[in-house]
Amino acid sequence: KTQVEQSPQSLVVRQGENCVLQCNYSVTPDNHLRWFKQDTGKGLVSLTVLVDQKDKTSNGRYSATLDKDAKHSTLHITATLLDDTATYICVVGDRGSALGRLHFGAGTQLIVIP
Amino acid sequence: DMKVTQMPRYLIKRMGENVLLECGQDMSHETMYWYRQDPGLGLQLIYISYDVDSNSEGDIPKGYRVSRKKREHFSLILDSAKTNQTSVYFCASSPRDRANTEVFFGKGTRLTVV
Repeated sequence: KTQVEQSPQSLVVRQGENCVLQCNYSVTPDNHLRWFKQDTGKGLVSLTVLVDQKDKTSNGRYSATLDKDAKHSTLHITATLLDDTATYICVVGDRGSALGRLHFGAGTQLIVIP
Repeated sequence: DMKVTQMPRYLIKRMGENVLLECGQDMSHETMYWYRQDPGLGLQLIYISYDVDSNSEGDIPKGYRVSRKKREHFSLILDSAKTNQTSVYFCASSPRDRANTEVFFGKGTRLTVV
């Protein structure tokens, strides 16, 4: 059973527009949540990690929120660039140490057009 | 320079052949992982290694085995490859006690079994 659901599956935006990606999960316990960017044919690069019960992070044009009560996270990308075209993957960790497991969403494919 | 290196990047094998995928990291991380990524699915954990010769099965270990004789090196072996093992394989590493803040992925190996 999929424990991490991402929406939308895919998204097309024009360069300069903002977008929001959603992540809902049922993983318990939920120690932390991380967003990765995966360029086509490349590895996963961490964008941000959220840890607190209600958390917010900001990393340049990327900002993220986490609500552990709702088991929900969002990733906001502001003023999108063509280089933002990628798959964005939500990952929930059930522990802070490597003894835990990482639960991966299938990703949202973002395409930024001129 | 913090890096996870995977070799080879691309591989084509015939059904029944043996396959060796190699992964190295230069961060002295205790924990290393092998995942596979298939279209429409989140990454699935094949094996996890907590340190040299301390390996555990992940969620889909059948058809795979691993070897970790040095902390910086983790190998994935497919004995008698099958067509359903065609996939993209990712190696990752993290410090044992800070997996929630630090996890690094390689660029992946695309394996095709014909």
